[in-house]
Amino acid sequence: DIQMTQSPSSLSASVGDRVTITCQASQDISNYLNWYQQKPGKAPKLLIYDASNLETGVPSRFSGSGSGTDFTFTISSLQPEDIATYYCQQYDNLPRTFGQGTKVEIK
Amino acid sequence: EVQLVESGGGLVQPGGSLRLSCAASGFTVSSNYMSWVRQAPGKGLEWVSVIYSGGSTYYADSVKGRFTISRDNSKNTLYLQMNSLRAEDTAVYYCARDRGGDGVYDYWGQGTLVTVSS
Repeated sequence: DIQMTQSPSSLSASVGDRVTITCQASQDISNYLNWYQQKPGKAPKLLIYDASNLETGVPSRFSGSGSGTDFTFTISSLQPEDIATYYCQQYDNLPRTFGQGTKVEIK
Repeated sequence: EVQLVESGGGLVQPGGSLRLSCAASGFTVSSNYMSWVRQAPGKGLEWVSVIYSGGSTYYADSVKGRFTISRDNSKNTLYLQMNSLRAEDTAVYYCARDRGGDGVYDYWGQGTLVTVSS
């Protein structure tokens, strides 16, 4: 199975800050990587697919980059409504695997 | 509008069985790849199973031989039959549409909680 390692596991930032989360795959997954946002008590929501493509309707402050084994997710200007846990997920192979999540809080 | 609505969760004793349903609207289940993903309390997301549009099915090792994914085309509904349940199966179970069949989950249900406990 492909292991996905996210860091940090949690972070605290101020409104307007730039926030960056990294995700590392245990083997080359090309660009087969998604990013999801999950708010408490809610289902995950797709934000980024194919490592860098913004899902329709998602604000442009969210972005993704990377390929191979190293990926980055960025919120360019943190907003109060961005408080959530963010997960990366690979779809190069079955089983699909997720990172352990990064909880983003407001400082 | 695409919508997925899960049902069937509840409290079950270890060794028991439960069948989850995921009723879809706004698209055709049989024309899409559909997956189940679960989340144990306070934990991360874990992929459970997928059924391809052609009918092929795949499972996580943790549920292989105990869980069965299926669909009813006439009801446009996805199912997960869960047998020989264990405490570690306790989780919120989500159904999700796999857009394009490549592992991009673009629509999710609201989730249904399964608790395995005596």
